Amino acid sequence: DAGITQSPRYKITETGRQVTLMCHQTWSHSYMFWYRQDLGHGLRLIYYSAAADITDKGEVPDGYVVSRSKTENFPLTLESATRSQTSVYFCASSAQVEQYFGPGTRLTVT
Amino acid sequence: DAKTTQPNSMESNEEEPVHLPCNHSTISGTDYIHWYRQLPSQGPEYVIHGLTSNVNNRMASLAIAEDRKSSTLILHRATLRDAAVYYCILPTDSWGKLQFGAGTQVVVTP
Repeated sequence: DAGITQSPRYKITETGRQVTLMCHQTWSHSYMFWYRQDLGHGLRLIYYSAAADITDKGEVPDGYVVSRSKTENFPLTLESATRSQTSVYFCASSAQVEQYFGPGTRLTVT
Repeated sequence: DAKTTQPNSMESNEEEPVHLPCNHSTISGTDYIHWYRQLPSQGPEYVIHGLTSNVNNRMASLAIAEDRKSSTLILHRATLRDAAVYYCILPTDSWGKLQFGAGTQVVVTP
């Protein structure tokens, strides 16, 4: 399917477990982003990437790891999940100006 | 980083125009003004962007004040599907990182 997809769409995990959220885009956009959205905080940038193997921290990177070995994929890993990481996670991609967002992953850490 | 100020909420009747204001008094000469919207349970969606001149596309119009310290997003004929949170954003750098505020919740009544 063309566009930007995220998987899984819903995930429940336990505190301390490692979780990886996947993001895939079919446009070959150079830029990719990860945001989290919490009630009372709006969307906040976690990590971003300008190209394969080029990533940098955003506003709230602690507890997260990213990689980008291929242009189309930008996985986000929670190394040891905490309850404070319960959130909705959005991935986005961009060629130049507009960012295109995925449908989101709702993550619950119990 | 230049900040934006938007009203918390606005109401409109269906098929009437909606004017969404945004103040950005600390905007720099090279800052573009971007608008995104987020429908319930979806990721944000690009609406429009501009620098100095007024801009139109199929979704909306963007009117930018001559001094660029404010702008207005215009939805010409609101539909129920336009009920969303609208964000006015000034991307922070050439990578296009977006810093989302609280936005304006638009309510459209039949």
